[in-house]
Amino acid sequence: QKEVEQNSGPLSVPEGAIASLNCTYSDRGSQSFFWYRQYSGKSPELIMFIYSNGDKEDGRFTAQLNKASQYVSLLIRDSQPSDSATYLCAVNPPGSNYQLIWGAGTKLIIKP
Amino acid sequence: DTGVSQNPRHKITKRGQNVTFRCDPISEHNRLYWYRQTLGQGPEFLTYFQNEAQLEKSRLLSDRFSAERPKGSFSTLEIQRTEQGDSAMYLCASSLKGSGDTQYFGPGTRLTVL
Repeated sequence: QKEVEQNSGPLSVPEGAIASLNCTYSDRGSQSFFWYRQYSGKSPELIMFIYSNGDKEDGRFTAQLNKASQYVSLLIRDSQPSDSATYLCAVNPPGSNYQLIWGAGTKLIIKP
Repeated sequence: DTGVSQNPRHKITKRGQNVTFRCDPISEHNRLYWYRQTLGQGPEFLTYFQNEAQLEKSRLLSDRFSAERPKGSFSTLEIQRTEQGDSAMYLCASSLKGSGDTQYFGPGTRLTVL
């Protein structure tokens, strides 16, 4: 059973601090990893994708991938109240024909 | 690029009725996906098209569900004889083969079965 695990939260972070969201996956051969943000009642919105080990930065967001340990994380610097949302991790395992396996999401709350 | 669109945005129906949803992908995207999402869960894969060919369908999908993508453009998802357990958000996403296959989602159709 291919699985993607996330802590459901809620994760509460003060405004201006760094929010750290984690995701682990079971299929060691997975190649593509995605972070989506989902506001309540809305559809998922792509934040970042990462394919290679290490860090990838885009503005206030940094994705970190460690294939040996099978985890991917998302850091949000200078957290804003508008970052309050559920963050979904998605993984594309090998042989899945580009079907993504999704975590259940972590609810993030940024407190002013 | 106008994004992925879905219609209707909301649908309320009585148990046993048939419903059909439509998805218009981003124009140059050749891959299209349908997902279902319930509260507190991640999206659940339903089916996937590359152009007009339906290449994959979830084993969890009952035969009451059917999807089409005529001419490789828009897609429809039909649910026959709806049940209360079908109440969910139905999401459509599209991607472009060879671009890393990043999926972009439409706004979703929220189905309520009474």
